[in-house]
Amino acid sequence: GAGVSQSPSNKVTEKGKDVELRCDPISGHTALYWYRQSLGQGLEFLIYFQGNSAPDKSGLPSDRFSAERTGGSVSTLTIQRTQQEDSAVYLCASSRSGTELSGELFFGEGSRLTVL
Amino acid sequence: AQSVTQLDSQVPVFEEAPVELRCNYSSSVSVYLFWYVQYPNQGLQLLLKYLSGSTLVESINGFEAEFNKSQTSFHLRKPSVHISDTAEYFCAVKGGAQKLVFGQGTRLTINP
Repeated sequence: GAGVSQSPSNKVTEKGKDVELRCDPISGHTALYWYRQSLGQGLEFLIYFQGNSAPDKSGLPSDRFSAERTGGSVSTLTIQRTQQEDSAVYLCASSRSGTELSGELFFGEGSRLTVL
Repeated sequence: AQSVTQLDSQVPVFEEAPVELRCNYSSSVSVYLFWYVQYPNQGLQLLLKYLSGSTLVESINGFEAEFNKSQTSFHLRKPSVHISDTAEYFCAVKGGAQKLVFGQGTRLTINP
């Protein structure tokens, strides 16, 4: 499809396990974001990739979280040694290049992570 | 760095009543401003945006927002709401090449 694709849509894991969440942005979009949405917590910024620039990792909550973007397209968010407080919906969004346009984000449906 | 404050976490209103959802921002650079909406069980989508030009911007479903630089605000308004407007609304700000920053969201509930 033409939209942002995220997988898996749902993931249930045990505390202490590692998880990987994948995001396929819209073709040609140079900016890619990861956000986390918890009940009653709004949208928490995690990481921002913009073209070939160094990513803005200022929102990653701990060193258990990491993300990469290969070839300027697909991105993977990895959470190591998951904790129950990591349970949330992880949202990926992409946008076109250009500072004026790059605030218009297109969001995926999200990956719902439940840590037991 | 930018930040966004949405002053109300929840706003209940009656159907056909007017509503205002408040948003204030802070930034050291010129900004672009956005409102996003998340309807129940749906993903986030752009509602309206201010990039430049007229400070009053409108959406296709009757919402409007006005950029007020002196008050650093971008409040969202609708003169008459419908049940279908029930959703969570997020204000967001972007300065230059910096990341898009969202507010905490305002949950709008419409009572019949």
